[in-house]
Amino acid sequence: AQTVTQSQPEMSVQEAETVTLSCTYDTSENNYYLFWYKQPPSRQMILVIRQEAYKQQNATENRFSVNFQKAAKSFSLKISDSQLGDTAMYFCAFMKLQSYSGGGADGLTFGKGTHLIIQP
Amino acid sequence: DGGITQSPKYLFRKEGQNVTLSCEQNLNHDAMYWYRQDPGQGLRLIYYSQIVNDFQKGDIAEGYSVSREKKESFPLTVTSAQKNPTAFYLCASSEWGPYQETQYFGPGTRLLVL
Repeated sequence: AQTVTQSQPEMSVQEAETVTLSCTYDTSENNYYLFWYKQPPSRQMILVIRQEAYKQQNATENRFSVNFQKAAKSFSLKISDSQLGDTAMYFCAFMKLQSYSGGGADGLTFGKGTHLIIQP
Repeated sequence: DGGITQSPKYLFRKEGQNVTLSCEQNLNHDAMYWYRQDPGQGLRLIYYSQIVNDFQKGDIAEGYSVSREKKESFPLTVTSAQKNPTAFYLCASSEWGPYQETQYFGPGTRLLVL
């Protein structure tokens, strides 16, 4: 079974600052994806970024980037130029792939989340 | 507009009652999932279905049941055997195929016990 750990229950930064959220995971699998999801007060889960384990290059999406360290089983999220709208719960999630070439997946395993507050 | 809809937004259950949460998607996704979220917790997987007429138990399936008679629909029934059903329930869907397994979520249903 996989486990995902987010060690920062809450973080607070000033608007326009850069913030890094931590995530570590434990698995014996070699073929998997990692995700960061954002959950604002509306409670809608929104995909932020995805990283495929077979890729060495870190994923980026505009102001969001990850630092994926496969050997260390670490997957941190960096938010640059933080904005008030970034205030939300952020969840790290793990997905094991059923087969390398055939696609398909089980469900996601989530961490407990980090509550990020962007102060004006 | 393509997306995932869940209804109702709020649902109240009396003791001993079964209730059904609806999840519909028009994204033509093959796979659908149900998760439960408790306060201060991440999401936990209840059931998932990768194709019509087939589904698998997740980590916390006890007290829940599902059906998948149509590709676009995956209803979740919370039975009277679920002793602590108060939670936020999220439905998700994804495509089936290499590199297309990203899950997208509906807006959720809040279930409260009277």
